[in-house]
Amino acid sequence: AQKITQTQPGMFVQEKEAVTLDCTYDTSDQSYGLFWYKQPSSGEMIFLIYQGSYDEQNATEGRYSLNFQKARKSTNLVISASQLGDSAMYFCAMREYDNQFYFGTGTSLTVIP
Amino acid sequence: DSGVTQTPKHLITATGQRVTLRCSPRSGDLSVYWYQQSLDQGLQFLIQYYNGEERAKGNILERFSAQQFPDLHSELNLSSLELGDSALYFCASSPWDSANTGELFFGEGSRLTVL
Repeated sequence: AQKITQTQPGMFVQEKEAVTLDCTYDTSDQSYGLFWYKQPSSGEMIFLIYQGSYDEQNATEGRYSLNFQKARKSTNLVISASQLGDSAMYFCAMREYDNQFYFGTGTSLTVIP
Repeated sequence: DSGVTQTPKHLITATGQRVTLRCSPRSGDLSVYWYQQSLDQGLQFLIQYYNGEERAKGNILERFSAQQFPDLHSELNLSSLELGDSALYFCASSPWDSANTGELFFGEGSRLTVL
């Protein structure tokens, strides 16, 4: 089974609108971390936001927030007030207790002016 | 700047050749991970080292090998190169027991083109 599943290969959003990128995960660990990374066309991997499995509050970081639903094993990224510079690939990732990292296949986000 | 340094940034070589990619992790990070990202693909985990020892192995071909040296830098060796090995190779580092979030810090990648 896939550890991380991102079912949206591509998404479009109007500038200034909000967009939600979906991610589900599979683990039997009690302690794990969930991450989102952004990869612009230049190629670098940029860390965006983190959610710990024991965190009761949804993580927020500027315009980025997570909709963490532990029982459903989902951690969706919400980008508010989209900007043209948000156009990029977005990867969801999970770190399990043994420090293994798993990445999803990514979602390509295009922000339309 | 993540603090992870990868060299070379770009490399063009021919089929059948051998190349070495180098990675210096962030200061203090003991774990080094290697990932391969082919065109329009996600990140494929290759191998992880912790403090000089191999910790986990992913989809790494037998033609590929890696090691982590006492100074914690790591090298990924790719031999008998094929066209399909053309990809962006990322190195990432992480502290083993992070007091913070424990995210991976990525280098800028080494883009390998095999002709």
